[in-house]
Amino acid sequence: AQKVTQAQTEISVVEKEDVTLDCVYETRDTTYYLFWYKQPPSGELVFLIRRNSFDEQNEISGRYSWNFQKSTSSFNFTITASQVVDSAVYFCALSDFTGNQFYFGTGTSLTVIP
Amino acid sequence: DAGVIQSPRHEVTEMGQEVTLRCKPISGHNSLFWYRQTMMRGLELLIYFNNNVPIDDSGMPEDRFSAKMPNASFSTLKIQPSEPRDSAVYFCASSLIQGRYTFGSGTRLTVV
Repeated sequence: AQKVTQAQTEISVVEKEDVTLDCVYETRDTTYYLFWYKQPPSGELVFLIRRNSFDEQNEISGRYSWNFQKSTSSFNFTITASQVVDSAVYFCALSDFTGNQFYFGTGTSLTVIP
Repeated sequence: DAGVIQSPRHEVTEMGQEVTLRCKPISGHNSLFWYRQTMMRGLELLIYFNNNVPIDDSGMPEDRFSAKMPNASFSTLKIQPSEPRDSAVYFCASSLIQGRYTFGSGTRLTVV
């Protein structure tokens, strides 16, 4: 069965602190995709990153970085030097190789305190 | 590009009424998805279309829910009759590149 677990329901950090959002997934597929989405208070979902199962390279984009480890079925997301604008709910998601069947985690609500 | 456009943004209706949610995908995108977001169940995929054809509607909760995509630029999600437990935020998303979605702003539905 496909499943995404985001164990952290809510996280609060003080501005400029680093924060890591955890994501653990389950799948029997050998080919799959992993994603992170951001949902700010305005409600829309914003795509952050897609990673395929054959690419375990970590990725950095500005203050964002992602650590994909197949051995532990984890795809963690780190925000460095957090800012108030980072306050949002962050969703981790898993899809099959077609990219059409998605499984979302329950989200982690991040609050960055000024 | 205007992005994925959903209407209405908010809908309040009485139990038993028919509700129609609308979505205009990004021009050129060939896949369209309807999601429902609730606090209890998180984000759930209801149905998706490829080239206007429904591919998988296994996430549609009941026969009260139906979705159509009469052309590449328009889709509807209808609930008839609506019930209080249908209250949620309904998202529409479209994509061209596999797995790279653009979501609409959502429709917040409240059934009283």
